[in-house]
Amino acid sequence: GIQVEQSPPDLILQEGANSTLRCNFSDSVNNLQWFHQNPWGQLINLFYIPSGTKQNGRLSATTVATERYSLLYISSSQTTDSGVYFCAVLIKAAGNKLTFGGGTRVLVKP
Amino acid sequence: DAGVTQSPTHLIKTRGQQVTLRCSPKSGHDTVSWYQQALGQGPQFIFQYYEEEERQRGNFPDRFSGHQFPNYSSELNVNALLLGDSALYLCASSLVRENTDTQYFGPGTRLTVL
Repeated sequence: GIQVEQSPPDLILQEGANSTLRCNFSDSVNNLQWFHQNPWGQLINLFYIPSGTKQNGRLSATTVATERYSLLYISSSQTTDSGVYFCAVLIKAAGNKLTFGGGTRVLVKP
Repeated sequence: DAGVTQSPTHLIKTRGQQVTLRCSPKSGHDTVSWYQQALGQGPQFIFQYYEEEERQRGNFPDRFSGHQFPNYSSELNVNALLLGDSALYLCASSLVRENTDTQYFGPGTRLTVL
């Protein structure tokens, strides 16, 4: 099956810093989503981005489908950005299931 | 617009018991998927229901079963609980007609098996 790898596994930031999270995947995909999991376990949708670039406030994401990677940018980080960030991919030919990476654990210090 | 809801929030069971978890999809959605998330790992796909039938299944034993009702809500049943079944169980909903297959997750049910 498809492999999804995220890096770095852990990230410690000072409030106000910028950061880049990476997601590599091993096959062509139809769907790629980025999620933020808060300390209570809720997975919050950030982006649906199988290709191209999107921005939402201080967050933006870019997926280069031909090179099989996606990047999530966090600018001017805030303590509320802390949590685990997951990317997940879907290949329709393999069924409508999301395959998740291992996540990047982010801690933003005040 | 109601999001995905799950019940109960937390559950404690003992080995060998059976458990039922419930999920109501986001308003307008017709497909429900279940995922298991062990501590420190990403969610793993269990199965997906559409039109009251299991559409796809991940690598989970038959102890894990499910059901979808005519109102699109769903249940996840786990029989003969093992300590290793302790995890956060997440439900996600989507709309099959929507070409993006975007999935929206509920808050989860945290299951502890003693």
